[in-house]
Amino acid sequence: EPEVTQTPSHQVTQMGQEVILRCVPISNHLYFYWYRQILGQKVEFLVSFYNNEISEKSEIFDDQFSVERPDGSNFTLKIRSTKLEDSAMYFCASRAATYEQYFGPGTRLTVT
Amino acid sequence: AQSVAQPEDQVNVAEGNPLTVKCTYSVSGNPYLFWYVQYPNRGLQFLLKYITGDNLVKGSYGFEAEFNKSQTSFHLKKPSALVSDSALYFCAVRDSSNTGKLIFGQGTTLQVKP
Repeated sequence: EPEVTQTPSHQVTQMGQEVILRCVPISNHLYFYWYRQILGQKVEFLVSFYNNEISEKSEIFDDQFSVERPDGSNFTLKIRSTKLEDSAMYFCASRAATYEQYFGPGTRLTVT
Repeated sequence: AQSVAQPEDQVNVAEGNPLTVKCTYSVSGNPYLFWYVQYPNRGLQFLLKYITGDNLVKGSYGFEAEFNKSQTSFHLKKPSALVSDSALYFCAVRDSSNTGKLIFGQGTTLQVKP
């Protein structure tokens, strides 16, 4: 069964450093998303991506964040200058024409 | 604005007993509703969805959910709980924007005791 994969599983970085989180969505899916979950809190939407461009972004997704689909498979989330409050679990998700989204296992980002 | 509420932080049930995890929603228009399960240090796994049709929808691992429009609820149920069902459960609603983003509830921890 196809699944969404994410790398790395855990990333530790110092405040102010750039990080890139990588995702490989399910191959025939057209819509891609990033969500995050701060420890003990609910899952929050960050950004959606369709047809090689951002279709919607949340208030959290400020100028420090960017997304790319550099080739036909990878989907990346970049944080240019990390802050302590960026520490969270980041989930990538994708969906086809049906409405359910399929989530990757997540990347735990720890900013020190 | 769309929202989802899960009124219980934790639900405790004995193995073999029926379980219910509650969810209520607020949306404009017809709701598209989902349940996801999250095991420790894992991603969210899709369990089931309601888009249209029968109010009782069946999903993975023996779970089902009942859509109630008048009560704006979408409670998750299982007739006989297993210890392995112990996990964090999230209810979600599809946002009415074209992007289809999901809006999640706070999550409910289900603890099934032997």
